[in-house]
Formats: sequence, structure tokens, C-alpha cells
Amino acid sequence: NAGVTQTPKFQVLKTGQSMTLQCAQDMNHNSMYWYRQDPGMGLRLIYYSASEGTTDKGEVPNGYNVSRLNKREFSLRLESAAPSQTSVYFCASSRQGPTYNEQFFGPGTRLTVL
Amino acid sequence: AQSVAQPEDQVNVAEGNPLTVKCTYSVSGNPYLFWYVQYPNRGLQFLLKYITGDNLVKGSYGFEAEFNKSQTSFHLKKPSALVSDSALYFCAVLGTDSWGKLQFGAGTQVVVTP
Repeated sequence: NAGVTQTPKFQVLKTGQSMTLQCAQDMNHNSMYWYRQDPGMGLRLIYYSASEGTTDKGEVPNGYNVSRLNKREFSLRLESAAPSQTSVYFCASSRQGPTYNEQFFGPGTRLTVL
Repeated sequence: AQSVAQPEDQVNVAEGNPLTVKCTYSVSGNPYLFWYVQYPNRGLQFLLKYITGDNLVKGSYGFEAEFNKSQTSFHLKKPSALVSDSALYFCAVLGTDSWGKLQFGAGTQVVVTP
């Protein structure tokens, strides 16, 4: 049982390049989330998916797109990377039911945009 | 709108002494409150949560937190700190009308010295 896995662990992009961050969970969770973590700002929600087939914007969605590929997988795409998107990205999941179920986090992807 | 404040960027404590990490919140309606811990280069790990009921919540690794509605606080405590408790701690709040969208505090770095 691997929990939440993310690939890649590290990535360096040039401004304007695109990339997709992959996330998968094996806990049969319905809900999945993408966050970014910046120093002194905690974690901020980019997008979330309450259930398979649905996605919604979070606090900081600009410059990102997501795809809920199936129940297990939730990807985050940067179409044209900008230096302001340099951050650590975390994927999380939570089980179906009340919204206050705790979220389980992946190990993160450290992205640098030059 | 919901918000979380962690007033201390860093807390220093000697091993064996009590540890307290402060958190205050603002949310409409009843809050759901969480504490997470992040070790270096790792994802966040769930420690404990308050949903309803007893104001004193016990969680993982000997941590507990006290919900105080009048002071809108949810401070994390541990009676006797260990060096291995050195990590970054995040408080998070969820309002009853904010499906799954956790609002995180900026985090408090805990340093436990031998």
C-alpha cells in the first residue's frame, strides 16, 4: 500500500515550457487535491476533485489545469511555466464521506522554473 | 472567508520540556480543525483533528490539542518533547460551507534541542 505517489520528485523547467505532474493514490479515495507550498505561506489549494469526473478551482488556479483521469489518478499541468510557479507541489487525497475527513499527502514535487 | 494564524514562526524547546504550538482561526459556522506535521523533504502527515465533542483531542505521537471556542484557538501540545519532534507544524481549518478546502496556516518550525 503505497498511499499517495507523485512523479517526478524534482523538475527544472525554462520559462514557457510545459509539463505535467502526476499523482496516484491506492487508498480508494474519492477526493483528490493539488496544493503548492511556498515559504511562509503554508499550503494553498490549486485545484481539487471531489469525485471522479469533477474538478474545481481552489485558491490559486491561474496558470494550471488538471485532469482526473480515473479514480486513482489526478494530474496537474503547467501549459507555459513561469518563474512564479517555482514551488513545491503536493497532491493529497481523502476518503468519501464527510468533508472533514483528513487528507493524505504525497511526498511532493520540487519544481524550479528558470 | 476562513483564515488561520500561527503567530510563531519558530518554537524552541529543550528535550523533555512541554511543547506548545499556537493556532487561532476565523471561520463562519462551526470549525473543523486539523494539525499536520511535515518532516524535511516529506509530505504532510496528519496528527489530529477536532470535529465536535470533547475539547481535548488526542492524536498521534503523544500530541494533543485543545479547542477553545471563545478564544477561537486550537493549540497543539505535547507534555514532553523529543528531539525527533523537530519539524514544521501546520494548523488548518475547514468551515462547514467550504467543502474539502482546507485553509492552512503559514506553519511553525519546532526545534527541540537535546
